Order: sequence, then C-alpha cells, then structure tokens
Amino acid sequence: QKEVEQDPGPLSVPEGAIVSLNCTYSNSAFQYFMWYRQYSRKGPELLMYTYSSGNKEDGRFTAQVDKSSKYISLFIRDSQPSDSATYLCAMSESGTYKYIFGTGTRLKVLA
Amino acid sequence: DTGVSQNPRHKITKRGQNVTFRCDPISEHNRLYWYRQTLGQGPEFLTYFQNEAQLEKSRLLSDRFSAERPKGSFSTLEIQRTEQGDSAMYLCASSSPGTALYEQYFGPGTRLTVT
Repeated sequence: QKEVEQDPGPLSVPEGAIVSLNCTYSNSAFQYFMWYRQYSRKGPELLMYTYSSGNKEDGRFTAQVDKSSKYISLFIRDSQPSDSATYLCAMSESGTYKYIFGTGTRLKVLA
Repeated sequence: DTGVSQNPRHKITKRGQNVTFRCDPISEHNRLYWYRQTLGQGPEFLTYFQNEAQLEKSRLLSDRFSAERPKGSFSTLEIQRTEQGDSAMYLCASSSPGTALYEQYFGPGTRLTVT
C-alpha cells in the first residue's frame, strides 16, 4: 500500500462546476499538507498548504485536512478551462524535508 | 525571471552514456531538492541540500547517481552509465530559510530519454 493514495482520474467537469479532489494517506506522522498544480510538461506549482487539521481558503480554492480520517481535499469553485491540469497532493512529516506525493489527478474543465 | 531554472530542458542519450543536469534555485534560497517523476506518477524525492551540505539521500539514488552543490548556489545531478529505467522528468525545487519546510518551489524539469 502506498503512503499516499490519489485517484488518477481523468475527471471531466463543465465550466463553472465545483471540483472536489481528494487524497488519503496512511502515515499518521504527516503534519504538512500541500496541493500542487502541474500543467503538461511543466514543473509543479504550489497552490495551497495546510499545517495539521483544518481548512484554508484562497480565492476559488479551499483546502481541507481531516487527520482523524487521514483524508485531505481540495475544492475548486467556479472552475475554468484554465484549471485543466494535474493536481498533486503532497505531505511531509514535521522536521523532514522530503515530500511524499500522490500520483496526481488529471482534471479537464470543459468550456 | 526569478524562478527555479533547469538546464537542459530535454536530453536524449544512449544507454550507457553519462548525463549531467543543472539546477539554479531562486536567489537566496539555501535549500535545494531533487525529485524524479515518471509518467503518470507523482514526483519522488531523491536528495536534499542545505547550502552546500547534502543532508539526505533517498535509497532511489543508486551509486550511479551523484548530486553536488559546491558553493551552495547551483546544483548538478549526474547519472552515470544511464539505463532505460532512468528515463523520467528530473525536477529541482528550492525553499527559503525564512519559510517553513513546506514551501518548495519547483523548476520546469529536465526530461531525460534513454534510448
């Protein structure tokens, strides 16, 4: 079993829809939770980060962490075709430097 | 552009050849990371530098791989005697001493194809 599980998709939604992207994990020591967006043949771009449990909102993006369920989510409101990309979750333990990434979910927002 | 830069962007090599990639981090970022990403997978951690010191290496980094950061600025990743299984995107990231460990900023990557 991988430490971080993420549905690879692809996930297709119409423009304007609310998108929900999720990751589950098995390592209870993870404290930092990140979401990256990666366009085809580009490097990952940091979108959101959260420490421990709770919610964080930034514009159209909301990140949620439920440590009791070992489950994190990224919500995208009013999705746009420009949001079409692969979304990667990443996690790390406190005091370590390496991120453990999910496989990424491919998202397509249809105009 | 003040982001992380990587060169070359693409490299095609024959099996058995040596290749070297370069990463220039964001100015004043003292932490530098190398990751490898294969098709359909997320990036996998390879190694980490704080200034010129290599502080952690993944077991994925076999003896054929070596990374350096001689003056605490740019870094190089060398792969000796390349194998077809080395074909991947090699990503470099950097972070600042003034921020928490989670703020890693990635470069565009070097795509390696071993024929």
